[in-house]
Amino acid sequence: LAKTTQPISMDSYEGQEVNITCSHNNIATNDYITWYQQFPSQGPRFIIQGYKTKVTNEVASLFIPADRKSSTLSLPRVSLSDTAVYYCLVGEGSSGSARQLTFGSGTQLTVLP
Amino acid sequence: KAGVTQTPRYLIKTRGQQVTLSCSPISGHRSVSWYQQTPGQGLQFLFEYFSETQRNKGNFPGRFSGRQFSNSRSEMNVSTLELGDSALYLCASSLVYGQGDEQYFGPGTRLTVT
Repeated sequence: LAKTTQPISMDSYEGQEVNITCSHNNIATNDYITWYQQFPSQGPRFIIQGYKTKVTNEVASLFIPADRKSSTLSLPRVSLSDTAVYYCLVGEGSSGSARQLTFGSGTQLTVLP
Repeated sequence: KAGVTQTPRYLIKTRGQQVTLSCSPISGHRSVSWYQQTPGQGLQFLFEYFSETQRNKGNFPGRFSGRQFSNSRSEMNVSTLELGDSALYLCASSLVYGQGDEQYFGPGTRLTVT
């Protein structure tokens, strides 16, 4: 299983850029890296997904170095509503074969005014 | 398009009982995964179904089981409930089975075992 490690918590201020890093040393060749956001009493919500290099969408960027042993979620100009738990997810196995889906322990991001 | 729905939203059971939770995926989605979320263990993968077949299973005892119907709806069952089974059970659906599939999560079923 591709175990993941994330910081337990992070604080930031409104308007700042936040970078959350996830370590996944045992990532397999066919694994994708996905980040989810979760608010209290809700299910996780997809933020961004990538395989290598850099991916950007309207809400975040994902940086993956060449060795793919880590990934960094970047949230530009955070607001109070970005206060949530952020999870890194690494899949294992290729399409059609057995796979385990391993979530990181999650990072509680608190955005302060 | 309606999201993933889970029923019931809240449930209280007694030790030794069994429970069945239901999940209706987004229309057109064929893959359904189940997760257990607890404060101590975080989000843990239970199992994944695609085309009515269990494709993957996490490290949970045999008391946890599931199934998927031809309309892609899924149920999970926990028999002989233990206090430690108290958790938020989340269901997620995705369009197809395989790597790189974005999962859409439901609101969860909060199970309390007394």
